[in-house]
Amino acid sequence: KQEVTQIPAALSVPEGENLVLNCSFTDSAIYNLQWFRQDPGKGLTSLLLIQSSQREQTSGRLNASLDKSSGRSTLYIAASQPGDSATYLCAVKDDYKLSFGAGTTVTVRA
Amino acid sequence: ETGVTQTPRHLVMGMTNKKSLKCEQHLGHNAMYWYKQSAKKPLELMFVYSLEERVENNSVPSRFSPECPNSSHLFLHLHTLQPEDSALYLCASSQGADEQFFGPGTRLTVL
Repeated sequence: KQEVTQIPAALSVPEGENLVLNCSFTDSAIYNLQWFRQDPGKGLTSLLLIQSSQREQTSGRLNASLDKSSGRSTLYIAASQPGDSATYLCAVKDDYKLSFGAGTTVTVRA
Repeated sequence: ETGVTQTPRHLVMGMTNKKSLKCEQHLGHNAMYWYKQSAKKPLELMFVYSLEERVENNSVPSRFSPECPNSSHLFLHLHTLQPEDSALYLCASSQGADEQFFGPGTRLTVL
């Protein structure tokens, strides 16, 4: 059974600092890995999708890396802003099933 | 309407009620999913439909009954729920095993 762990569970940083969010998974036979953002009480917004054959993906201030062999992914958010405050979820896919981590709750202080 | 929509957004029901959650996707996808998100727990996959056939049933109690009448619509029928079923229920869709897109969720409270 795939298990996904996200560390840290919560993170508070001053505005402008770079954010580093970690995700690890136990079974490296994945199809892809997705990073999501969730605002309180809301649905999930997809941020980045990395296919199993890729090493990283970038979108604006966001960069995600994937090391499938070691079962790790890292999400970097450059120059954080108060609007980046949210919970960030990592999910790995094998076949149709997405397995989620518990998330990292980020607070960016103005 | 664009993306994935869910109705109602909020639902309060008693344990003896019967209600249904509705999900509609406007993305032309061929797979749809129900997830449950409880407080302090990771998202849990409940059901997967691919090409309108159920391909995954993740040990969900029978008081939850999914229905997928066509590739754009997904329902979750609820009956005789328990207070511990109170959660955010999220619907998602995808094209095959590609990126999943989520709806805004239905916040369910069982009294």
